[in-house]
Amino acid sequence: AQSVTQPDIHITVSEGASLELRCNYSYGATPYLFWYVQSPGQGLQLLLKYFSGDTLVQGIKGFEAEFKRSQSSFNLRKPSVHWSDAAEYFCAVWISSGSARQLTFGSGTQLTVLP
Amino acid sequence: DVKVTQSSRYLVKRTGEKVFLECVQDMDHENMFWYRQDPGLGLRLIYFSYDVKMKEKGDIPEGYSVSREKKERFSLILESASTNQTSMYLCASRQQGNTEAFFGQGTRLTVV
Repeated sequence: AQSVTQPDIHITVSEGASLELRCNYSYGATPYLFWYVQSPGQGLQLLLKYFSGDTLVQGIKGFEAEFKRSQSSFNLRKPSVHWSDAAEYFCAVWISSGSARQLTFGSGTQLTVLP
Repeated sequence: DVKVTQSSRYLVKRTGEKVFLECVQDMDHENMFWYRQDPGLGLRLIYFSYDVKMKEKGDIPEGYSVSREKKERFSLILESASTNQTSMYLCASRQQGNTEAFFGQGTRLTVV
């Protein structure tokens, strides 16, 4: 079965520092990949997505992510973190193969931003 | 903008009660999903529906059922609520094809 792993449960960075959140997936073919953000008490908001083409994708709020097939990874990055980026981040994959169709999420990474 | 609306933000129910969580989307999406979100476990898929009257079990369907009689509405049913079903429940919808899912605000259910 496909799976999504976010190895970092909690990350703390200082405001203005760079950020990288890791995501690895397990699936034979290239999946469709997403990063979502969830602020406290809110639903999930899409940051960016990858379906095909350029492996470096740009999203909202200054985030970007790079798909690396050889590493089965889709890591999220931001060059300079703002205090408002403190939230929980989820990586997700959409698999559509034959009768199997499912949107699977990782366990999430909680980001704390220090002033 | 796509809107996914969950009928309640907070619910408190008693053990053994039958509980209905309702989700409505306004963009004619074919696919709809119910997830539960628990600390450290992320979002786990309970059930999903490809289209009207169609449903598929997700990863954790035990203790739940669903209903999709109309395209815009996807209901999650807890036949006999238990305390281990205390959780945040998130509904999502998605257009068929290569698109992202849109989420509701969530329903925080407490079973006492």
